[in-house]
Amino acid sequence: NAGVTQTPKFRILKIGQSMTLQCTQDMNHNYMYWYRQDPGMGLKLIYYSVGAGITDKGEVPNGYNVSRSTTEDFPLRLELAAPSQTSVYFCASRRGLSFRFEQFFGPGTRLTVL
Amino acid sequence: DQQVKQNSPSLSVQEGRISILNCDYTNSMFDYFLWYKKYPAEGPTFLISISSIKDKNEDGRFTVFLNKSAKHLSLHIVPSQPGDSAVYFCAAAGNEKLTFGTGTRLTIIP
Repeated sequence: NAGVTQTPKFRILKIGQSMTLQCTQDMNHNYMYWYRQDPGMGLKLIYYSVGAGITDKGEVPNGYNVSRSTTEDFPLRLELAAPSQTSVYFCASRRGLSFRFEQFFGPGTRLTVL
Repeated sequence: DQQVKQNSPSLSVQEGRISILNCDYTNSMFDYFLWYKKYPAEGPTFLISISSIKDKNEDGRFTVFLNKSAKHLSLHIVPSQPGDSAVYFCAAAGNEKLTFGTGTRLTIIP
């Protein structure tokens, strides 16, 4: 299993541009999550999904959109990029059993908005 | 409002000694707690967890202690090894989501 994969690894955007961060997992996990990590900070939840077709906002959803058309994929869309969105973005997945909360993380996408 | 706090941004420990990382939380609805380890340029990896109905969980060199009355948990690593140098995040689970602390950078001195 490849686990959770994210593309691209790095990206530089200009203010106002848009892009999609890709996330795919091959573990047949129901739950998927997007986080951002700013320097010296913990991970902040942007959006999450409990299954295909179901998404919900996390702590910091403004400026982002998500969709979940399949179990495997959970892309994160940035519209009108702003310097405040410069961060490292992590995607994670979890099986969804109520007694197992461990999330498995991808390697991250480092995004710079100039 | 920081619901999960790691008040020590960094910690240095001699190789072979015990490393103790601390975490405090404010929300009594959290019912499961986890520790993650993160190396540079990689995603966090799960280390160890504990349910709120327990006060201790052990896995090899790693032990997590939970004090519910104090809303405090700690991670003990003994003996500490050079490969343990990383950033450690504690996280608290509630409503299908995790809330993370800001992390503690652990450096093991050879």
